[in-house]
Amino acid sequence: DVKVTQSSRYLVKRTGEKVFLECVQDMDHENMFWYRQDPGLGLRLIYFSYDVKMKEKGDIPEGYSVSREKKERFSLILESASTNQTSMYLCASSLVPGATSGNTIYFGEGSWLTVV
Amino acid sequence: AQRVTQPEKLLSVFKGAPVELKCNYSYSGSPELFWYVQYSRQRLQLLLRHISRESIKGFTADLNKGETSFHLKKPFAQEEDSAMYYCALSGADSNYQLIWGAGTKLIIKP
Repeated sequence: DVKVTQSSRYLVKRTGEKVFLECVQDMDHENMFWYRQDPGLGLRLIYFSYDVKMKEKGDIPEGYSVSREKKERFSLILESASTNQTSMYLCASSLVPGATSGNTIYFGEGSWLTVV
Repeated sequence: AQRVTQPEKLLSVFKGAPVELKCNYSYSGSPELFWYVQYSRQRLQLLLRHISRESIKGFTADLNKGETSFHLKKPFAQEEDSAMYYCALSGADSNYQLIWGAGTKLIIKP
């Protein structure tokens, strides 16, 4: 079974703090994603990566950055956390790019971040 | 514009009753459609995809290109079906990135 692990399930941070959300996958997947999940808005793609040291902006990259130094690890960074970044953050990975009939995207359990 | 619309934020039905979660989409080409499910305290997971034409946990979904819909149906709801359901599409226009609906919370009453 593919395992996508997000190291922190619940975090509380103060406004202005730098926040790191870590994600590790164990299936040698090339592609990794960070989504934000908000009620009434569904999932919105923040950043994704097709390879080590490679990153692409998603739909809502403002206020976020990412790092992919190793294939199995994809980190989401909030340089200066703000209250409007309070949300559930989902990491995902897949073998090939994109969602197609022959490809499944696997999700982590999520990291619930509260910024106060 | 590419869009997925799930008109119901919340759907509540009694156990044993039929369930239909609505999904409408807007897309210029030929998209691939998916349903994902998230049970309480579990990770989001793929339920089914239109191209497979399969039934998973009693759920089916038929792609209606004329009505641009991909509604999820189950004839007899079970309590364990209570979950958050997301409809999503991908296609060449989105570089095969998933475009998500807002989700429908399904509650099955005993």
